[in-house]
Amino acid sequence: GENVEQHPSTLSVQEGDSAVIKCTYSDSASNYFPWYKQELGKRPQLIIDIRSNVGEKKDQRIAVTLNKTAKHFSLHITETQPEDSAVYFCAASIRAGNQFYFGTGTSLTVIP
Amino acid sequence: DSGVTQTPKHLITATGQRVTLRCSPRSGDLSVYWYQQSLDQGLQFLIQYYNGEERAKGNILERFSAQQFPDLHSELNLSSLELGDSALYFCASSAGTSGSLYFGPGTRLTVT
Repeated sequence: GENVEQHPSTLSVQEGDSAVIKCTYSDSASNYFPWYKQELGKRPQLIIDIRSNVGEKKDQRIAVTLNKTAKHFSLHITETQPEDSAVYFCAASIRAGNQFYFGTGTSLTVIP
Repeated sequence: DSGVTQTPKHLITATGQRVTLRCSPRSGDLSVYWYQQSLDQGLQFLIQYYNGEERAKGNILERFSAQQFPDLHSELNLSSLELGDSALYFCASSAGTSGSLYFGPGTRLTVT
């Protein structure tokens, strides 16, 4: 089955700096890659996603890039703010069966 | 609000007991997923249903079972509870093939 690896497990940045979280996947059949933000005690919330026919997608301060050849995708957060502090999960999904495989999460701390 | 609802919000019970967690997917979503999240851990996939049928099984213990009913709501039954079963249990739903995954608010289970 699909295996998703996520790095780093923890990340601390100064407010205003950029943060990058990277994920790799193993199954070339994966074609949908969402990112989730989870604040303490809350539900994971979808913040951005990308499909395999697109290389990059942006939404204000967050962007996701996908390299299908290398089987990796990354989340980029620019101009970080304290409210960006949370755990971020990447996931990969294969169209058939619509199963989701999650990374182990990255705990991001933005230092004011 | 993702539109996925879960009840109850909190549940405190004793070891050896049995509980039932309930989930209603977003309107129109046919797939329901159950995840377990222990303290400071990632999202452990338990089981997926699609339109009433079991679609995929993850790390679900034999003491746990689930079903999806004709009205598409789902129940997760946990029996012979142990201290280690204390966790947040999330339900999520998606429309189906390549649909985005949306999480409910979770049920926090505490086993004493």
